[in-house]
Amino acid sequence: GQSLEQPSEVTAVEGAIVQINCTYQTSGFYGLSWYQQHDGGAPTFLSYNALDGLEETGRFSSFLSRSDSYGYLLLQELQMKDSASYFCAVRAAGNKLTFGGGTRVLVKP
Amino acid sequence: DTGVSQDPRHKITKRGQNVTFRCDPISEHNRLYWYRQTLGQGPEFLTYFQNEAQLEKSRLLSDRFSAERPKGSFSTLEIQRTEQGDSAMYLCASSSRRAGGRISYNEQFFGPGTRLTVL
Repeated sequence: GQSLEQPSEVTAVEGAIVQINCTYQTSGFYGLSWYQQHDGGAPTFLSYNALDGLEETGRFSSFLSRSDSYGYLLLQELQMKDSASYFCAVRAAGNKLTFGGGTRVLVKP
Repeated sequence: DTGVSQDPRHKITKRGQNVTFRCDPISEHNRLYWYRQTLGQGPEFLTYFQNEAQLEKSRLLSDRFSAERPKGSFSTLEIQRTEQGDSAMYLCASSSRRAGGRISYNEQFFGPGTRLTVL
């Protein structure tokens, strides 16, 4: 089976930096994805890491350490529109995704 | 709008009734996935198709659930004899080897979901 752990909630102010950690236990690991979901909306893809290291996409970066079964999503220069839930998801064979419980990020003025 | 559409957006039904949902993926995407999401939780994998072939079903999927993708385009998810525990958001996603200019199946594009309420 697969299990993922991430914090349930994070609060920060505009302009701050937030790091969301994700640890996983899995068999058949191919990579770690991150998705953003606003209330009432559909999940939208943010990033994918298959290899160790940091991937940067604009204000968002994602990191993976396969040996530690650990990854994180870094949100920089936080904006009000970044208030949402963020999910890490392990990709297994066939591209099946197993999602964590999500981290609710609340950005305050 | 990701280009994945789902119908209906909302469905209210009584316990014991059958319901069917439809998903239209992005047209060139050959992989299609169904997930279920309850409030405060992450999406939970149900099943996926590559073209018209159903390649994997979650062990959580009881025999009351069936999914089809007859021509490798749209897909339907049917729930028979609905139970109150089936109340959830049902999400469809699609992916392709080449998505957004990148060669990857890694990005899944989600539809807006069908919210099912079983009374």
